[in-house]
Amino acid sequence: DTAVSQTPKYLVTQMGNDKSIKCEQNLGHDTMYWYKQDSKKFLKIMFSYNNKELIINETVPNRFSPKSPDKAHLNLHINSLELGDSAVYFCASSQNTDRGYGYTFGSGTRLTVV
Amino acid sequence: AQKITQTQPGMFVQEKEAVTLDCTYDTSDPSYGLFWYKQPSSGEMIFLIYQGSYDQQNATEGRYSLNFQKARKSANLVISASQLGDSAMYFCAMRGSYGNNRLAFGKGNQVVVIP
Repeated sequence: DTAVSQTPKYLVTQMGNDKSIKCEQNLGHDTMYWYKQDSKKFLKIMFSYNNKELIINETVPNRFSPKSPDKAHLNLHINSLELGDSAVYFCASSQNTDRGYGYTFGSGTRLTVV
Repeated sequence: AQKITQTQPGMFVQEKEAVTLDCTYDTSDPSYGLFWYKQPSSGEMIFLIYQGSYDQQNATEGRYSLNFQKARKSANLVISASQLGDSAMYFCAMRGSYGNNRLAFGKGNQVVVIP
């Protein structure tokens, strides 16, 4: 039933570790996104894939690497985690890149780096 | 570049009263979409309402309405008959066309509904 699902919902890990967050959507959308929400609740786009092709790659450290095996999945891998990576990460999808289509968000992954 | 501005401090609203959340935007796109999302304390992002830049009428969805003033570049959200469950962060967002088609968010407004 879930439209956009992310796993895990919570992730607590030590500095220096490598971790992945998975995202899957069953809406048939062709575009998927990763957003980061910081401690002040500001949402900023990180990456976007359209039909498995990277179309948005904001200025994020190259420790963050997205991977889209197919248009229904977009995973986020983070190497060498730092304290400043602690945030809520949202996956989202949309029907296409047209202005009239909003995003459907996953429930978020709260990452805590200790 | 697109810019969304939400500057109101946190708001307390009496239950059953209406509340207006301000949003102004700046874009050079001739065509764009405006959105409002709700984020309750549980953390999920919930789509509320959409307004297209060429839509002639203001959008309405149940108790939510969008007061769109294109010349002023404002897209205020009005919540009528506030309920306790309306307590949340509210985000205004905009999506342009072509190269500006990402959904850009404002910083949000915190609303607390009191009985």
